[in-house]
Amino acid sequence: AQSVAQPEDQVNVAEGNPLTVKCTYSVSGNPYLFWYVQYPNRGLQFLLKYITGDNLVKGSYGFEAEFNKSQTSFHLKKPSALVSDSALYFCAVKKGTGGFKTIFGAGTRLFVKA
Amino acid sequence: DGGITQSPKYLFRKEGQNVTLSCEQNLNHDAMYWYRQDPGQGLRLIYYSQIVNDFQKGDIAEGYSVSREKKESFPLTVTSAQKNPTAFYLCASSSRTDDVYGYTFGSGTRLTVV
Repeated sequence: AQSVAQPEDQVNVAEGNPLTVKCTYSVSGNPYLFWYVQYPNRGLQFLLKYITGDNLVKGSYGFEAEFNKSQTSFHLKKPSALVSDSALYFCAVKKGTGGFKTIFGAGTRLFVKA
Repeated sequence: DGGITQSPKYLFRKEGQNVTLSCEQNLNHDAMYWYRQDPGQGLRLIYYSQIVNDFQKGDIAEGYSVSREKKESFPLTVTSAQKNPTAFYLCASSSRTDDVYGYTFGSGTRLTVV
């Protein structure tokens, strides 16, 4: 069965510091992995995805994520946080090659302090 | 611009009443999805549809119904059988259920029981 875990309910970071939002997953076969961001009372916006290839994936707004197959992790990172990055972040996993169901994590709230 | 439109943004339901949430997309996507979002629980799949006139139950379909008479439209009805309907409802679409591109989300409908 597929599953996604986001171990931190909230991450606090000072503006200008690097940020990491953690995600681990479980899926049979090769995974498709995604990060989405949600601002208050809005839908989710796609940030980036890993399908295959380089383990470091670059996405929107300066975010990147590192795929680690041995640790089954897909952590979201940004070198320098902005106050405007404060939002709810969701990791999602889908079984590659014929999979159709995307499973979302519970979400991690990122708070960037000025 | 292509996208997904959900309406209304806010909806109030009385006890024992059925209500219908609208979801329309102009992305020419085949697949559409309904998710329910509750605080701390992430997104849970209610129903999904891969093609017109076909839909499948997700993880929490009880008390909900859908139709897919047109490619562009995937309305969700919250029936009186749904005992705890207060939540944020998100509609999403993708080109196919097995594609690699992730989802496009609408802005959501917040349903409250009064």
